[in-house]
Order: sequence, then C-alpha cells, then structure tokens
Amino acid sequence: AQKITQTQPGMFVQEKEAVTLDCTYDTSDPSYGLFWYKQPSSGEMIFLIYQGSYDQQNATEGRYSLNFQKARKSANLVISASQLGDSAMYFCAADTGRRALTFGSGTRLQVQP
Amino acid sequence: NAGVTQTPKFRILKIGQSMTLQCTQDMNHNYMYWYRQDPGMGLKLIYYSVGAGITDKGEVPNGYNVSRSTTEDFPLRLELAAPSQTSVYFCASSLLRIRGGGPTDTQYFGPGTRLTVL
Repeated sequence: AQKITQTQPGMFVQEKEAVTLDCTYDTSDPSYGLFWYKQPSSGEMIFLIYQGSYDQQNATEGRYSLNFQKARKSANLVISASQLGDSAMYFCAADTGRRALTFGSGTRLQVQP
Repeated sequence: NAGVTQTPKFRILKIGQSMTLQCTQDMNHNYMYWYRQDPGMGLKLIYYSVGAGITDKGEVPNGYNVSRSTTEDFPLRLELAAPSQTSVYFCASSLLRIRGGGPTDTQYFGPGTRLTVL
C-alpha cells in the first residue's frame, strides 16, 4: 500500500516570497505519478502539477515547480512569488496505477501581505 | 464543457435515510471516482469505475453502492445513512488510467456535495 506524508499542517509566507511545501511518499512500485492539488476555502479541488516517476526533469507549471528527489521519495511543491490568492489547502497525491489517487493530509498555506 | 457536475451541493439526512449523490461528466472520460473528505483530512477513495458497467471498491466502500450504466454518469448511493458518513463527497473523472511515469492523466474534480447525517 502506498502512503503520502505531509508533515506541515500549516505554513505562513509573505507575499512575493517563495515557499516549499513538503511531501514524502512510500511506494514499492517502480512506476508512479505524483500530483499536487489546491483546495481553496470554496472547497473545489484544483490540479496544479504532475511528476512521473521516470521523468528526468522536475515538473514546472508557471509559478509552481515540483522538487522531485526520487532516492529520498520526496516531491516537494515550490510556489514562487506567492500571491494572496495562493492561500489554501494543498494536497500531495500519488498514483501507482491501481486504485486512483492516495492523498496526504494536506498543508494549509496562508499568504500574508 | 461543464466538466464534472455534482448534485446536490448540500444535504442533511436523518439516520437511516437513503439518498443518491449524482455525478455527471461531459468530457467522455472513461474513468470515474468517488472520494470522501472528512474535516481536516485528505480525500479517501470510496469506489471507482473504469468504464460503463465496471466498478470496483476503493479504500472506504462500506455503506455505499455505485453503478455505471453510461459513460457520463456515476451515481453514489447511500443506504441507511449513519453519522459517520457526514463528509464532503467529491466525484472525479479522468481519460486514461494512470500507469505512472507516462503522459499526464489528470483527475478532474466536481465541486463536491456536503452531506450531514443527524
């Protein structure tokens, strides 16, 4: 069974600064995908970024990048130039091709002006 | 495209009542999923479907039933509602089953149904 661990229940960051949200995963499958989702206070789940286990380069999507360290089984999300609208819950998730996504418990990010 | 739609948005049930949560997607996705999210927690998979007529249990299937008669619809049935089923329910869909390491197979989520059982 796979497990996703997010050790930061809450994070604060100043507007325009960068922030890293931690995620570690535990799977024995050699082939897997890693995802980050954002959940604002309105409740919807918004896809942010994806990293495949065989991808050689770290994924980037605009201000989001994924710091993928395969040997450490970590997939940290980096948000550059934080904006007030980035305040939300952030979930790391993994899929090994079996039963959909396994989610971590989330990190609540608050961006301060 | 409306994407993934869910009805109702909110519902209050009494213990022992039953109801069906509706989910429809218009993206012609073959995979569909039901998750539940308890307060302060991540999402947990209830059931999923790889296509019309095919469903399978996820991590927390007890107390729920599903059916998939069409590509578009994936309703979730609660029989004999219990307070432990108080949660936010999300439906999601994706086009291809992820095998990991390959092309992105993003799951698209509906807006959720907030269910309270009293």
